[in-house]
Amino acid sequence: KAGVTQTPRYLIKTRGQQVTLSCSPISGHRSVSWYQQTPGQGLQFLFEYFSETQRNKGNFPGRFSGRQFSNSRSEMNVSTLELGDSALYLCASMGPSVGASYEQYFGPGTRLTVT
Amino acid sequence: DQQVKQNSPSLSVQEGRISILNCDYTNSMFDYFLWYKKYPAEGPTFLISISSIKDKNEDGRFTVFLNKSAKHLSLHIVPSQPGDSAVYFCAASRLNSGGSNYKLTFGKGTLLTVNP
Repeated sequence: KAGVTQTPRYLIKTRGQQVTLSCSPISGHRSVSWYQQTPGQGLQFLFEYFSETQRNKGNFPGRFSGRQFSNSRSEMNVSTLELGDSALYLCASMGPSVGASYEQYFGPGTRLTVT
Repeated sequence: DQQVKQNSPSLSVQEGRISILNCDYTNSMFDYFLWYKKYPAEGPTFLISISSIKDKNEDGRFTVFLNKSAKHLSLHIVPSQPGDSAVYFCAASRLNSGGSNYKLTFGKGTLLTVNP
């Protein structure tokens, strides 16, 4: 079974621009979460989508948004980019619980650099 | 307010010996804990998890211990191998809120180096 895929892997943008990142979950997984990893703050939760609905949200400004499609693929959008948005953005998917296990499986991430 | 803490930024161990990685949490509502391993330029890889109804879970060379009263968990790797060298993240979540809260709160990670 293919793993979580994210595109693009690397991206360079300028301050003030917007960016869209894409994530395809493991086949059969309906939950998709997004995380931001920075050297200073570590891995921080952005939001989670399940069946096209945002189910959980972290403490990020409204410039960060996302959506999920009927095939469970998800996109994350960041508008009006700031230098501090430079980070590794990770997507994780989760399938139906098996034996009360709730593991999230991560993609390789998209490295966003804002100049 | 850091709810999940990994107080050791790095750990160095000899091949074949035991590696013990520690994690503390402050939120007593956390009821499910996970360990992930991460290599540079890759996403985290799931290793092992434990529910708060257990105090130990074992999977091959990896064992996770949970001490709820101390709000502490640890990951034991026995025997350690050079390929285990990576950053290890501890993560916690709250599942008791209707089983739909899958947000993971991560520690800052511990860099494990296993020397041949």
